[in-house]
Amino acid sequence: GAGVSQSPRYKVAKRGRDVALRCDSISGHVTLYWYRQTLGQGSEVLTYSQSDAQRDKSGRPSGRFSAERPERSVSTLKIQRTEQGDSAVYLCASSLLKNTIYFGEGSWLTVV
Amino acid sequence: GIQVEQSPPDLILQEGANSTLRCNFSDSVNNLQWFHQNPWGQLINLFYIPSGTKQNGRLSATTVATERYSLLYISSSQTTDSGVYFCAPTGGSGGYQKVTFGIGTKLQVIP
Repeated sequence: GAGVSQSPRYKVAKRGRDVALRCDSISGHVTLYWYRQTLGQGSEVLTYSQSDAQRDKSGRPSGRFSAERPERSVSTLKIQRTEQGDSAVYLCASSLLKNTIYFGEGSWLTVV
Repeated sequence: GIQVEQSPPDLILQEGANSTLRCNFSDSVNNLQWFHQNPWGQLINLFYIPSGTKQNGRLSATTVATERYSLLYISSSQTTDSGVYFCAPTGGSGGYQKVTFGIGTKLQVIP
């Protein structure tokens, strides 16, 4: 069975450019999360959605971060006008309601 | 939101040694997971443990929700156990959960 997959795995972006990261979650999972993980700072939730309703945009300046869910098992995290501080691992995860959360392998973003 | 504290932040073990990792959290939670992030960055779920004790091979975990802590035991450690161990309590209402991560315990097992 397929797990959560993310693409691209590695991305180098020039500062100021927009970046889109894709997540294919597990079929049938309801809740989808985007996390950002930086060295020494752990992980912070960027956004999560249940079905197609965006629930939360806590964390980093939400104006530049947005997530779309064009299909139930697909999400795209968009980062506008990237900054060097956006360099991090972006993790996508999905779950059924109140169940184990499954993570993708992450997209490693470096902003230069 | 929930505050999570993990200890120790760094740990070096000789292969074969045992260790206990601790996770304290600040609020009542619906559930708690332990993850292992291997040196290649992949996050792997170890335990889904809202309360009680579970065992999986050389690993076991105990959560005492009323006292707001969880422990991860690693016995007879191996070099493949190296990586970062994250505690992630989950809380929320309305049928969905919000996961908060600790900053992790970085474990290095040396041969």
